[in-house]
Amino acid sequence: RKEVEQDPGPFNVPEGATVAFNCTYSNSASQSFFWYRQDCRKEPKLLMSVYSSGNEDGRFTAQLNRASQYISLLIRDSKLSDSATYLCVVTRSGGYNKLIFGAGTRLAVHP
Amino acid sequence: GAVVSQHPSWVICKSGTSVKIECRSLDFQATTMFWYRQFPKQSLMLMATSNEGSKATYEQGVEKDKFLINHASLTLSTLTVTSAHPEDSSFYICSAASGTRLGNEQFFGPGTRLTVL
Repeated sequence: RKEVEQDPGPFNVPEGATVAFNCTYSNSASQSFFWYRQDCRKEPKLLMSVYSSGNEDGRFTAQLNRASQYISLLIRDSKLSDSATYLCVVTRSGGYNKLIFGAGTRLAVHP
Repeated sequence: GAVVSQHPSWVICKSGTSVKIECRSLDFQATTMFWYRQFPKQSLMLMATSNEGSKATYEQGVEKDKFLINHASLTLSTLTVTSAHPEDSSFYICSAASGTRLGNEQFFGPGTRLTVL
C-alpha cells in the first residue's frame, strides 16, 4: 500500500466550479502535511500547509483529520490557471522532514 | 529569495555513459539537499538526503554506487548517474533546505529530464 494515496483524476470542471480533492496517509506518526501544485514538466510548488484546525488561503481551503488520516483541499471559483496536478505531501517522522509525495490528482479547468 | 537552480535542464545520453546533474542554491546556504526522481504519472520519490560535508543517506532500494551524490559546499550538490541505462530515464529534481532563516521548507529546483537511449 502506498504511504500517501490520492485519486489520480483527472477532474474536468468548468470555470467557476468548486472542486474537492482527498488524500489519505498510512503512517499515523506523520508530522506535517502540505498540498503542492505541479505543472506539467515542472517542479512542485508549495501551495499551502495543512492544519487540524483547517486553513484558508483565498479560494483554497485545506483540512486535516488526524483520526481518519485524511487530508482535503477545496478550490472554489476555479480558474483556468488552476489546471495542474495537486500533490498531497506528508513528512515522515524521524530524520530531516522527509517529504512523502502522493502521485497527485490532475485538475483540468475548461472555459 | 530561496531560488534553486539545476543544470542541465534536460540531457540525452547513450546507454553506458555517466551523467552529472548540478543543484545550486542561489541566494541561501543549503545545509541539506534532497534528490528526487519522478517517473511519468508517478509521485516524486526521495532518492537520497545529503548534508554539506558528509556522505549522503540513501533511501531503501536506491543504489549508492550508481547514483553518486556529492555535497561539497553549502550551495552545490551534484548527482552523477553512472553507467546510465534506459530504465534510468526520468525527471530528477533536487530541493534545498536551510533549516535556519528559511525554516524547514524545501525549495525545489526546476528539474532535469534525463533520457537514456
